[in-house]
Amino acid sequence: SQTIHQWPATLVQPVGSPLSLECTVEGTSNPNLYWYRQAAGRGLQLLFYSVGIGQISSEVPQNLSASRPQDRQFILSSKKLLLSDSGFYLCACNPSFGTSGRPPGGQYFGPGTRLTVT
Amino acid sequence: GENVEQHPSTLSVQEGDSAVIKCTYSDSASNYFPWYKQELGKRPQLIIDIRSNVGEKKDQRIAVTLNKTAKHFSLHITETQPEDSAVYFCAFNFGNEKLTFGTGTRLTIIP
Repeated sequence: SQTIHQWPATLVQPVGSPLSLECTVEGTSNPNLYWYRQAAGRGLQLLFYSVGIGQISSEVPQNLSASRPQDRQFILSSKKLLLSDSGFYLCACNPSFGTSGRPPGGQYFGPGTRLTVT
Repeated sequence: GENVEQHPSTLSVQEGDSAVIKCTYSDSASNYFPWYKQELGKRPQLIIDIRSNVGEKKDQRIAVTLNKTAKHFSLHITETQPEDSAVYFCAFNFGNEKLTFGTGTRLTIIP
């Protein structure tokens, strides 16, 4: 089964500073990868997803960006953080069931990064 | 577009009683319906899922039922215990790549 790593676990950053959150996956290849944000006491907001290296789909226009430089690495970035960027950032993985005809399946979440923008 | 309604938003249940959470979805092409449990400060965890060719699935004290005609699916927890207290999210697939999540139900088990 896959293991998802995220770091850092917690982060406090001032408004206007840059951001880089990293997610890596073990135990699977060619997974779909996802970045979600969860505000305190709220639901899961899909930010980006990727079906392969260099392939990024953006769900919500904002000051964040994502990159997938390697098959099992997914990075979330920002050039200038806003107060509204505070939240719990979760990376998720949908393991590959094959190179084509992948059936829909469950997503498995990493431990998350709790970001506070001050 | 995809849309899901989850009810209730909060639910308090006496320990030992049953809890039911219901979700209604909009995309008739959806064929995968997972449920997630999120304890305070932790990641959501997949606890049970069902595919559209099945009407009901059970795993010990939890079960999920699916009514494709009415486009709703439900989570049933029987013999509730204090450790069942958490926020529960339903979800359904939108195509093969994404899940749409419900707004969550905060379940509290009263000892």
